Amino acid sequence: GQNIDQPTEMTATEGAIVQINCTYQTSGFNGLFWYQQHAGEAPTFLSYNVLDGLEEKGRFSSFLSRSKGYSYLLLKELQMKDSASYLCAVNRGGADGLTFGKGTHLIIQP
Amino acid sequence: DAGVIQSPRHEVTEMGQEVTLRCKPISGHNSLFWYRQTMMRGLELLIYFNNNVPIDDSGMPEDRFSAKMPNASFSTLKIQPSEPRDSAVYFCASRQQRGFNQPQHFGDGTRLSIL
Repeated sequence: GQNIDQPTEMTATEGAIVQINCTYQTSGFNGLFWYQQHAGEAPTFLSYNVLDGLEEKGRFSSFLSRSKGYSYLLLKELQMKDSASYLCAVNRGGADGLTFGKGTHLIIQP
Repeated sequence: DAGVIQSPRHEVTEMGQEVTLRCKPISGHNSLFWYRQTMMRGLELLIYFNNNVPIDDSGMPEDRFSAKMPNASFSTLKIQPSEPRDSAVYFCASRQQRGFNQPQHFGDGTRLSIL
């Protein structure tokens, strides 16, 4: 079956750094996406990884290890507006639809 | 640029009624996806279309659910008859089908409550 695991909830402090992990076991792999979703809103695209390594985009970075079935999203210089759910999603290839994890609810404290 | 447009934003109806959700994808996007989000199950893919043709409907929960895409700028998801367990947020997303790295863009969703 398809399995994507993320922590349910994390708490971090404004100005700090937080790492959100995602592990996956899927029948195929054609890339991993991270999305951000604020409460009551639509998911919005953050990053895409298909090769091993780190992709940096401003305060956000995403890492992938295909051999380990592992990714993380790193958020630096945390701001209160970063309080949201972060969704890890795998494109299994063959089909274009994404398989999503249940998301990590990130709480930023002052 | 206009994003993915969904209607209605909210729908409250009684069990047994027919529900129709609508979606207009981003112009130029040739793949369209319907997802359902609940607290228990997270975001689940129901069905998707490439160039208006349904490709994978294995996520559609049962025969009460049907989806159509009569042209490149419009899709519907229909539930008939509706049941309380169908209550969820339904998202439509679209993307350009020219590479796996193309992200899906989501509409604001329809919050459906079946009483």
